[in-house]
Amino acid sequence: NAGVMQNPRHLVRRRGQEARLRCSPMKGHSHVYWYRQLPEEGLKFMVYLQKENIIDESGMPKERFSAEFPKEGPSILRIQQVVRGDSAAYFCASSPFVGQNSGANVLTFGAGSRLTVL
Amino acid sequence: AQKITQTQPGMFVQEKEAVTLDCTYDTSDQSYGLFWYKQPSSGEMIFLIYQGSYDEQNATEGRYSLNFQKARKSANLVISASQLGDSAMYFCAMREGDRGSNYKLTFGKGTLLTVNP
Repeated sequence: NAGVMQNPRHLVRRRGQEARLRCSPMKGHSHVYWYRQLPEEGLKFMVYLQKENIIDESGMPKERFSAEFPKEGPSILRIQQVVRGDSAAYFCASSPFVGQNSGANVLTFGAGSRLTVL
Repeated sequence: AQKITQTQPGMFVQEKEAVTLDCTYDTSDQSYGLFWYKQPSSGEMIFLIYQGSYDEQNATEGRYSLNFQKARKSANLVISASQLGDSAMYFCAMREGDRGSNYKLTFGKGTLLTVNP
């Protein structure tokens, strides 16, 4: 009964390279969310996706960041031309549904991917 | 203004004692939800407890209870009978607005709890 699976757990990139972070939601969950945790901070919402659709990307930086959740395979958070300020832990979460009857809508988080930009 | 404020960067407690972690929130919405998550040193985020703004009873989950004081806008986490495995960062989070947007959580900066043997 695997939870939310994220890989890689740790990723080191040099400035200007690309980072790709993957997330497989819990079985039965069709909603995926990405959050970022900067050092000494709480998590901040980035994007909400369903299969093949971006529902809310209000927390995504306007440039260099993109996310997808294809029909088949994991969700991917892509950061192009990384800079030192992108160094953070990136968490993926999933939930089974969103809606009026899901007041708690508990998000199940993965263990995070820690990106270090040299 | 901070939406979620956790004023205790670090807390210490003796094993088997109870501890309260503070959380105050700021929202003008009538409908909102409050969450607590635990982040051990391994890094994952573990859901502990949830309180809806319209819930009249304080939420409880095993050794965790949420002391919800709506008028004071506080949602403190109480851990009873602390165990060494409770040592971790604890984050308070809020979901504002109607349940259709209940995926967007605002987190506080966290409190590092250390349980001493």
